[in-house]
This record gives sequence, C-alpha cells and structure tokens, in this order.
Amino acid sequence: NAGVTQTPKFQVLKTGQSMTLQCAQDMNHNSMYWYRQDPGMGLRLIYYSASEGTTDKGEVPNGYNVSRLNKREFSLRLESAAPSQTSVYFCASSDSFGQGEGYTFGSGTRLTVV
Amino acid sequence: AQKITQTQPGMFVQEKEAVTLDCTYDTSDPSYGLFWYKQPSSGEMIFLIYQGSYDQQNATEGRYSLNFQKARKSANLVISASQLGDSAMYFCAMREGRTGFKTIFGAGTRLFVKA
Repeated sequence: NAGVTQTPKFQVLKTGQSMTLQCAQDMNHNSMYWYRQDPGMGLRLIYYSASEGTTDKGEVPNGYNVSRLNKREFSLRLESAAPSQTSVYFCASSDSFGQGEGYTFGSGTRLTVV
Repeated sequence: AQKITQTQPGMFVQEKEAVTLDCTYDTSDPSYGLFWYKQPSSGEMIFLIYQGSYDQQNATEGRYSLNFQKARKSANLVISASQLGDSAMYFCAMREGRTGFKTIFGAGTRLFVKA
C-alpha cells in the first residue's frame, strides 16, 4: 500500500545507546517530517526536510540528528539516548506547498529508554 | 508566536448525535491553514479536514465540518451523526504561510461515543 513506512515499530534502548529510526515514503512527496508525541502535549516537530538535500530544526531538535538520504527516505538518529526521549515518534510527508493537503503519517515508533 | 489551544481534554457524545470539538489558534500571519487529525486507539494519525485562512466557506468532508470563525480565531470541528468508530483522539493543527513547512498541533481532545 502507498504511504509512509516507519521502522521499527517498537524499541527499547538503554541510556546512552544510539539508534536510527527509518522512514520511507512512496508518494513522491517533497517534504518530510519527524514528530514526537508525548501524553498531554500533542505532537512536537523535531526536524523537517522541505526538499531533498535540505533539513531544518523544528521545535525540539536537541539530542537528535536527521538525514534526508534521497527523496523517499528521511532518518532520525539518537546518538546517546536519554530517558527524556521516551516517546512515540511519527514520520510524515506532504507536498511542499500543498496547503490543502494534510500530512500522511507513518504508523509510529514507540521508543522506551531505560 | 503561533499557538493552538484545545481546552477539552475529554468529551462524551451519544451515538447518532452531533458533537463539536473546540480549537482556538493564535498567529500574526494572515496566511495560514488549519487542519484536524484523528488518532484512533490503534495509534495512526489520519488527516480529516483542512481550512485555509482565505477560504470564504467552511470546509466540509462527509460527516466532518469545520466551523471557522476568523475574527474569534476559532476552528471547531463538528462531527455529525456520531458513530462508535469516531471514538478517538482529535488534534487541531495549524501551518503558517510564512514558515511554510512547520505545522504545530494542539494537545488533543479525546472523544468517547456512547452506544
């Protein structure tokens, strides 16, 4: 099915470990995003990529890095995981200036840092 | 700074009745878009409806309509003829024209539909 694919779906890390969350979309969208969802706080933007070759910080970028590998793929890396990074992570994509088009989201990654 | 406020943490509605979920926003950008998303208990995020700041008419998508009151900076979601499958979290979101790519989300409202 066309859409946004995130891997893994679940992950448990120890404090200080690193990992990369993978995201791929097959909708030919230019823009891709990483959000985190915490209880009572909605979704907060970590990083985004307006188009292939560009990335920018969002609202909560500290502790994360991203790579826009190509038009399809946008990965999120935690270099040294902390318990505060326990969250549900969503990748999303959209057309660059499609104001009328909402995001297409991946199914999410539930990350627990112990 | 842009801001989205959803003041109803939880709402109950009887099946087949209509329900309104509140959303207020704040922005100084005259060009912006407002969105509503649904998150069922399974966790995925589903785009429901969009309203542009220059749109003259309220947006509608099936049983969903967006009650857009620009002067009051409100963008309430109205769900008509509620169904049990409407039980979910609902998020209001806004994208400013000048930032282009950043969409901010409210804290959400959990809707419970009673049989």
